Amino acid sequence: AQRVTQPEKLLSVFKGAPVELKCNYSYSGSPELFWYVQYSRQRLQLLLRHISRESIKGFTADLNKGETSFHLKKPFAQEEDSAMYYCALSGPSGGYQKVTFGTGTKLQVIP
Amino acid sequence: NAGVTQTPKFRVLKTGQSMTLLCAQDMNHEYMYWYRQDPGMGLRLIHYSVGEGTTAKGEVPDGYNVSRLKKQNFLLGLESAAPSQTSVYFCASSYVRRNEQFFGPGTRLTVL
Repeated sequence: AQRVTQPEKLLSVFKGAPVELKCNYSYSGSPELFWYVQYSRQRLQLLLRHISRESIKGFTADLNKGETSFHLKKPFAQEEDSAMYYCALSGPSGGYQKVTFGTGTKLQVIP
Repeated sequence: NAGVTQTPKFRVLKTGQSMTLLCAQDMNHEYMYWYRQDPGMGLRLIHYSVGEGTTAKGEVPDGYNVSRLKKQNFLLGLESAAPSQTSVYFCASSYVRRNEQFFGPGTRLTVL
């Protein structure tokens, strides 16, 4: 079974402070990991995926297979980063690519 | 391209009423999904479809039915709405070989 855990429902940081949104997963195989973001009153959209190894809006995430984690990081938080962040895992299951989402973490950047 | 669209955007139902939510995508995606989003529970998969004419149950299918008669459309039906189905419903689609999901804007449903 595949599972995604985001332990923090709410994370409040001051503008300019570093941000780390935690994501741990459980999967017996090689998963594909994603971070999705949902800004207020907007649809969910892909922020980044681990296979791309890129930085989007200053965010990075490294897949740590040993710790089964995929934490999202940004060195200096900005007010426009305030949003809901979802970690997601994709892996084959029953003949199709099953995607499992975490429960989400609300990031609040305090001015 | 419009991407993924959902109708309606908002709806209020009384317990026992029925309704259908429509999801449409113009990206020729094979896979389509219906999720519900509830506070503290994140996104939970209701039903999904891997192609025209096929559907399958997700994590929380009870009380919902779906149909995918055309590749671009995925309908979610509530036969007899219950207050527990008050939620925000999101549709998404993706290519078979690429796992990135594209989401619709959501439908806010309230069941009184």
